[in-house]
Amino acid sequence: NAGVTQTPKFQVLKTGQSMTLQCAQDMNHEYMSWYRQDPGMGLRLIHYSVGAGITDQGEVPNGYNVSRSTTEDFPLRLLSAAPSQTSVYFCASRLQGGPYNEQFFGPGTRLTVL
Amino acid sequence: AQKVTQAQTEISVVEKEDVTLDCVYETRDTTYYLFWYKQPPSGELVFLIRRNSFDEQNEISGRYSWNFQKSTSSFNFTITASQVVDSAVYFCALSEAADGAGGTSYGKLTFGQGTILTVHP
Repeated sequence: NAGVTQTPKFQVLKTGQSMTLQCAQDMNHEYMSWYRQDPGMGLRLIHYSVGAGITDQGEVPNGYNVSRSTTEDFPLRLLSAAPSQTSVYFCASRLQGGPYNEQFFGPGTRLTVL
Repeated sequence: AQKVTQAQTEISVVEKEDVTLDCVYETRDTTYYLFWYKQPPSGELVFLIRRNSFDEQNEISGRYSWNFQKSTSSFNFTITASQVVDSAVYFCALSEAADGAGGTSYGKLTFGQGTILTVHP
């Protein structure tokens, strides 16, 4: 199993540009989520999904869109990048069976918005 | 709303010292789950341990041990005889059994701010 994969690993954008961060998992996990990590703030939840076709907002959803058309993929879209979105982005997945299941994290995408 | 506080922003120790990382949490739920994750310099997040709110037994795994005390809402992590390879950012996280909007167990994770541990040789 590859686990949770994310592409790209690094990205530099200009203000106003759009892009999609890709996330895929091969563990047949129903629950997937996106976090951003900023210094001194830990990881904060952006959006999450409990299965194909079902998504919901987390703590910091503004400026980001998600969709879940398959169990495996959960892309995160930045519609119009802003410098405040400079961060490290992590995708995670876990079994939906219960919140006691640990989340498996991807390697992260380091995004810089100029 | 749930909250996790890791008051120690950075800790620096010399190899072989014992070190304790503090974690204090807030939740209104009676059923919840606590986690510790490690983020080494390479950047990935590694799951270390999970504890549910009904299990206050302390746990030891090699040089790692965890002390869960519901009375003080704390879930502290101790590394005994620290090693340079323990240098990392450590995160404590909390997941409630229900999301408060109807009882569905989506279990969103709330992370603390993280503690940067540096172990010097």
